[in-house]
Amino acid sequence: RKEVEQDPGPFNVPEGATVAFNCTYSNSASQSFFWYRQDCRKEPKLLMSVYSSGNEDGRFTAQLNRASQYISLLIRDSKLSDSATYLCVARMDSSYKLIFGSGTRLLVRP
Amino acid sequence: GAVVSQHPSWVICKSGTSVKIECRSLDFQATTMFWYRQFPKQSLMLMATSNEGSKATYEQGVEKDKFLINHASLTLSTLTVTSAHPEDSSFYICSARDLTGTGGIEQYFGPGTRLTVT
Repeated sequence: RKEVEQDPGPFNVPEGATVAFNCTYSNSASQSFFWYRQDCRKEPKLLMSVYSSGNEDGRFTAQLNRASQYISLLIRDSKLSDSATYLCVARMDSSYKLIFGSGTRLLVRP
Repeated sequence: GAVVSQHPSWVICKSGTSVKIECRSLDFQATTMFWYRQFPKQSLMLMATSNEGSKATYEQGVEKDKFLINHASLTLSTLTVTSAHPEDSSFYICSARDLTGTGGIEQYFGPGTRLTVT
């Protein structure tokens, strides 16, 4: 079983739609969580950290449920520029190693 | 913001040759650098953790004699793919941890190196 699992998608949505991505992690010792965005043939870029209390950054909202080992990302009012692969990431803070999920591909169409 | 560079950005080599990839932190010191590999349509897989002045720690299944890592200074780590074969063709990405990081977001990624072995 992979340490971090995501629905690979692709999610194909119209501009303006709201889309939600889910992620689960298996290692309960994971301490920090992030969502990264990766464009084709580029390095991943940090989108946002994920906290148990939930956090929002503009159109993006992330949530962590430690009890169920579940992470989510909600994107509201999708833009064409949101088209990318979204990577769910867990980190063991003791080693700073990042464990990446396989990514969920989002396609926003006009 | 913190910048990490990689060189070369892409390389094509013949089977059996060795290729060296450099990862540099340009405006900060990095005691720890990480090397990842990403095959098409797959996610990043951590290969090894590189610590300045000491031996790298390799993940399970990664051959340390094939992927040589050297972290000779606080701003430079190199990955050498020895006797490369077509199955080593991949996107290699490094990340560097900012020495001054306080446990928050202090790991920065390089732009990656695309290796094609013919």
